[in-house]
Amino acid sequence: GAVVSQHPSRVICKSGTSVKIECRSLDFQATTMFWYRQFPKKSLMLMATSNEGSKATYEQGVEKDKFLINHASLTLSTLTVTSAHPEDSSFYICSATGTRHTGELFFGEGSRLTVL
Amino acid sequence: RKEVEQDPGPFNVPEGATVAFNCTYSNSASQSFFWYRQDCRKEPKLLMSVYSSGNEDGRFTAQLNRASQYISLLIRDSKLSDSATYLCAVEGAGKSTFGDGTTLTVKP
Repeated sequence: GAVVSQHPSRVICKSGTSVKIECRSLDFQATTMFWYRQFPKKSLMLMATSNEGSKATYEQGVEKDKFLINHASLTLSTLTVTSAHPEDSSFYICSATGTRHTGELFFGEGSRLTVL
Repeated sequence: RKEVEQDPGPFNVPEGATVAFNCTYSNSASQSFFWYRQDCRKEPKLLMSVYSSGNEDGRFTAQLNRASQYISLLIRDSKLSDSATYLCAVEGAGKSTFGDGTTLTVKP
């Protein structure tokens, strides 16, 4: 399957700071990347869909100014959590698909954010 | 009503048992269906796709029933290493929706 890498895997920050998470497709060109958030013992909640070179499409209830998504190249998308607060603490996971997308998703390793 | 609903679990079974999970979905226009496995504090990984004709991979069998809008996963001869959370996913209009997951614990 396709290889997707996410960094950092774990980050701890103080309240009010911003955190950037990177998602890279290593062996294919990712025309679309998805950002998910997962709370303990809950499923993945889609936050936004980003297509290379265009603005991300956010799901209802997700603040676009809070969660900035950039997909500037076919191999990299970034999620920036701005002015982080403790309630933003969560597991953030990206997935990427290419031009031959058939529905299955390949995920990055996930990033566990803890805001103190 | 959630778009995708799964058996609540958890399932605790002995080694060698057969266990089945079900998942229902509400959007009849959904196009693709999958089962993912997620280990504790890890990312989900694709287990198998689900087709109307059924899909078997070793001890795992997945089935789709479009008329009743549910998918199933059957695990035969459970191994300790099968312990994980199993997520069903329904894809349509370019995005996937996941169930909350069913946790399976296989005990010696």
